[in-house]
Amino acid sequence: DTEVTQTPKHLVMGMTNKKSLKCEQHMGHRAMYWYKQKAKKPPELMFVYSYEKLSINESVPSRFSPECPNSSLLNLHLHALQPEDSALYLCASSQDRTVSNQPQHFGDGTRLSIL
Amino acid sequence: EDKVVQSPLSLVVHEGDTVTLNCSYEVTNFRSLLWYKQEKKAPTFLFMLTSSGIEKKSGRLSSILDKKELSSILNITATQTGDSAIYLCALRGSSNTGKLIFGQGTTLQVKP
Repeated sequence: DTEVTQTPKHLVMGMTNKKSLKCEQHMGHRAMYWYKQKAKKPPELMFVYSYEKLSINESVPSRFSPECPNSSLLNLHLHALQPEDSALYLCASSQDRTVSNQPQHFGDGTRLSIL
Repeated sequence: EDKVVQSPLSLVVHEGDTVTLNCSYEVTNFRSLLWYKQEKKAPTFLFMLTSSGIEKKSGRLSSILDKKELSSILNITATQTGDSAIYLCALRGSSNTGKLIFGQGTTLQVKP
């Protein structure tokens, strides 16, 4: 089990649905990340939150909307997704995004399927 | 542009063999290089290599950073079936935004 907890583990949704992915960490980390991973590909960064503020958006479509309610929680709100958005969505956290000698720790991910 | 390339892309060995996985990189401003192991779910952190820590070891796994050659290797000795996984090499980007740039990964299969 990882120290970064993601829910749900699996999610199947239609293209008109609205759903949210949740991520929680209690390591006192102040940087949190969303990655998208397609099958047989490495993770690709989507968003970075630093001290609860969005610091990086890697040109992600607006149908993905991140939210950081507090330092322990990170959400990803989904709306009007496309079939190509089906992937494993990974959350990660690190002590501070600017500290180079601290690793990012990943959650187990949410496997998302869009019908 | 920062870039990470891993080789080989896949590898099949038998239990007890020793394997060496390679990672080469291009970066404007080196900060750190990380190795992760990914089975079916989360990438699990293995090692972080920095300018002040170019060699790490944990049990049967070890890793070395060669800043002159812009590369790193991950060695696994006496492989076990439980070592079967995708091994990911990642680079902290030059922009110091926290972004990790991943290589394509090496898929290792250890046969009994």
